Amino acid sequence: DAKTTQPPSMDCAEGRAANLPCNHSTISGNEYVYWYRQIHSQGPQYIIHGLKNNETNEMASLIITEDRKSSTLILPHATLRDTAVYYCIVEGGNQFYFGTGTSLTVIP
Amino acid sequence: ETGVTQTPRHLVMGMTNKKSLKCEQHLGHNAMYWYKQSAKKPLELMFVYSLEERVENNSVPSRFSPECPNSSHLFLHLHTLQPEDSALYLCASSHLSGEREKLFFGSGTQLSVL
Repeated sequence: DAKTTQPPSMDCAEGRAANLPCNHSTISGNEYVYWYRQIHSQGPQYIIHGLKNNETNEMASLIITEDRKSSTLILPHATLRDTAVYYCIVEGGNQFYFGTGTSLTVIP
Repeated sequence: ETGVTQTPRHLVMGMTNKKSLKCEQHLGHNAMYWYKQSAKKPLELMFVYSLEERVENNSVPSRFSPECPNSSHLFLHLHTLQPEDSALYLCASSHLSGEREKLFFGSGTQLSVL
């Protein structure tokens, strides 16, 4: 599985957009990019996934670069409840391997 | 509520005890997973069951013994554990098909080995 690189931590002001980057330069053509988040001591929660095109759902938007070597998760209006660890995962063959993620803190 | 229920939420056991963790999914999925999350470390995939058959075993010590009696239930039997086995144990399920399917996680069992 391709590895991902994420900044260890980020801060975001409440009500502003949170942009979380992820590098996956070794991604192969059939591997999807998934994002999950984990609030302290709970199980990870699915956010969004995509292959090539940008995706949007009720939680977030996913922007994937044209060469697919990086992506950005966008939380359009961050709230205090969005404080969590966010994991970017490149998945192939239904195996999910989690890295260390980005710890996002939303500041009042 | 994710549709994946894990019991117990917390467990304290001695190194000579035998205990079991239970996971139940109400989502009609056909694959189930055990992950281990130690403090400040990434989630580690331990076991994968697809259609009740084990398809992945990531070099997990034999003191961890999984069991999948049907597609809705998954157990992790524990015996003679070590203090370094203290961690959050997470169960997940998904539907394996030609399409990519996401994982649904339970809330986990926080295990402390004394």
